[in-house]
Amino acid sequence: GAVVSQHPSRVICKSGTSVKIECRSLDFQATTMFWYRQFPKQSLMLMATSNEGSKATYEQGVEKDKFLINHASLTLSTLTVTSAHPEDSSFYICSARDDRGRNQPQHFGDGTRLSIL
Amino acid sequence: QKEVEQNSGPLSVPEGAIASLNCTYSDRGSQSFFWYRQYSGKSPELIMSIYSNGDKEDGRFTAQLNKASQYVSLLIRDSQPSDSATYLCAVSLGYSSASKIIFGSGTRLSIRP
Repeated sequence: GAVVSQHPSRVICKSGTSVKIECRSLDFQATTMFWYRQFPKQSLMLMATSNEGSKATYEQGVEKDKFLINHASLTLSTLTVTSAHPEDSSFYICSARDDRGRNQPQHFGDGTRLSIL
Repeated sequence: QKEVEQNSGPLSVPEGAIASLNCTYSDRGSQSFFWYRQYSGKSPELIMSIYSNGDKEDGRFTAQLNKASQYVSLLIRDSQPSDSATYLCAVSLGYSSASKIIFGSGTRLSIRP
């Protein structure tokens, strides 16, 4: 089945650090990838839609200058949390849908647990 | 009104029984419907997808879709303790890979031995 690889799985760093998270589709191409954030015991929250070769589309309330997204190829999207602070600590998950065919489900990476001290 | 609604639970079901999870959605133009399972601290994994009215069975899982009622459900037969997780209903408004998938807030299922 379709595999999405997300790296790193866990980050612990000091306040003010910028953290980059990578999301790769391993056996399919994905023009569009999605970034979610999930706080403990809460539901998935879509942060932004990453578009290959163009600007990401951010959901309302998500700071685009804080969460930089780059989708440089059909298999790689990156999310950079700039100058992270403790309130940015969360579980970040990416997902992608295969470009081939219709009605494809989203496949999720394993997530990145970000802890800002 | 939320776009995809689920009862948050927890839903407690005895081992071996049938667990029934329900979901309603607001957009009549929705095209594709998915059920994901999420264990605590893990990312969601796809359980079932369904696109047309009726039932779709895969092992112990059956997805049911009724577009007229804007309702989709998931039945889990012979429930096992390993089925204890949060189940997310997801709805796609379009066919293409660029179409957003809207997730419900999830139903927490607990299978008691």
